[in-house]
Amino acid sequence: SQTIHQWPATLVQPVGSPLSLECTVEGTSNPNLYWYRQAAGRGLQLLFYSVGIGQISSEVPQNLSASRPQDRQFILSSKKLLLSDSGFYLCAGQREGFGEQFFGPGTRLTVL
Amino acid sequence: KQEVTQIPAALSVPEGENLVLNCSFTDSAIYNLQWFRQDPGKGLTSLLLIQSSQREQTSGRLNASLDKSSGRSTLYIAASQPGDSATYLCAVRANNAGNMLTFGGGTRLMVKP
Repeated sequence: SQTIHQWPATLVQPVGSPLSLECTVEGTSNPNLYWYRQAAGRGLQLLFYSVGIGQISSEVPQNLSASRPQDRQFILSSKKLLLSDSGFYLCAGQREGFGEQFFGPGTRLTVL
Repeated sequence: KQEVTQIPAALSVPEGENLVLNCSFTDSAIYNLQWFRQDPGKGLTSLLLIQSSQREQTSGRLNASLDKSSGRSTLYIAASQPGDSATYLCAVRANNAGNMLTFGGGTRLMVKP
């Protein structure tokens, strides 16, 4: 079965500092990968998705960027964090095709 | 643009009750619909996936139905237990949206012992 690993689990960062969140996938090859953000009391917002190495699509213009350096690795980054970047970040994967999405445990980011 | 709505936003029931969670979507041209469970501070766990050609899916005490023409799905939970307390999210994949899911806002369920 497929498993998504995310780290760190929680992170507190000052405004203006850089960010790097990592997501790795086990149990499937060539997955579609997704980064979502869930703000307090709000639904999931799709930030980025990737259908392969080096292929990134952005859904929302923002302070963040994503990269996929390896087939099963997806990284979310920022050069300078804003207060509004606080939230719960979830990485998700999907077997090639239109099957179900499976999610990682998430990273709680607090920007102070 | 696809919009997904879940009603009610919150629900509190005594243990043992059967309950129904609702999900509606504005564009009926969907590929599939997925129900998730989210515990506080945790990631999402996939519960059921219904393809557009299916009417329902069952897993244990859970049964999800899909009425694509009316833009509705329901998640039925039989004999609810305190361990069922969580937020339940539905998400649809539209035919013209590639692999993208559109999520509803969720229903926060509390089952009291």
